[in-house]
Amino acid sequence: EAQVTQNPRYLITVTGKKLTVTCSQNMNHEYMSWYRQDPGLGLRQIYYSMNVEVTDKGDVPEGYKVSRKEKRNFPLILESPSPNQTSLYFCASSPRGQGGFFFGEQYFGPGTRLTVT
Amino acid sequence: QQQVKQSPQSLIVQKGGISIINCAYENTAFDYFPWYQQFPGKGPALLIAIRPDVSEKKEGRFTISFNKSAKQFSLHIMDSQPGDSATYFCAAKGNTPLVFGKGTRLSVIA
Repeated sequence: EAQVTQNPRYLITVTGKKLTVTCSQNMNHEYMSWYRQDPGLGLRQIYYSMNVEVTDKGDVPEGYKVSRKEKRNFPLILESPSPNQTSLYFCASSPRGQGGFFFGEQYFGPGTRLTVT
Repeated sequence: QQQVKQSPQSLIVQKGGISIINCAYENTAFDYFPWYQQFPGKGPALLIAIRPDVSEKKEGRFTISFNKSAKQFSLHIMDSQPGDSATYFCAAKGNTPLVFGKGTRLSVIA
């Protein structure tokens, strides 16, 4: 089954304790992205990756890191989480089309609900 | 900087009625306008999308209307059903990553 998986689905942690949220896709997509979803603010992009070893900042990158060492994986790293990073996080992937960032449809994972106390 | 403005924030519609959600954009370089549907506890999923060379696209009960000169596009859900209750996001892209509106929570009541 074609899908984007995220782990963990739920995480409660304390301020300053480093954490990693994993994301993996089995569709051989070039483009991957991380979003956070907050009430009233919609989906905001954190980082994206056009391909292996190519990453770029989205709209809200502060406090986050990413890496893309393999095509299928795109982990999100919070080196020192803070309470304002409490949110619902989504990973997404898409095939890249001709000349553009991606052809069209993004496939989203099921989400990771993170609480930082 | 919000590049896609979506309204309303929430919407309550009677079963069988028409749900209408509107979006406006500023960037004339946008060339792809999708709508995503998100059910509680799930990730967003593509519902329908349009490119600016057409003014309307219909898929079943869902229609996108696109007004290039006004830089606006809207989602119409005909014969709305309780199963359509979800959050809807409009989005847009050009030579940039996808930009989302803030979402509309739709509730269809019997």
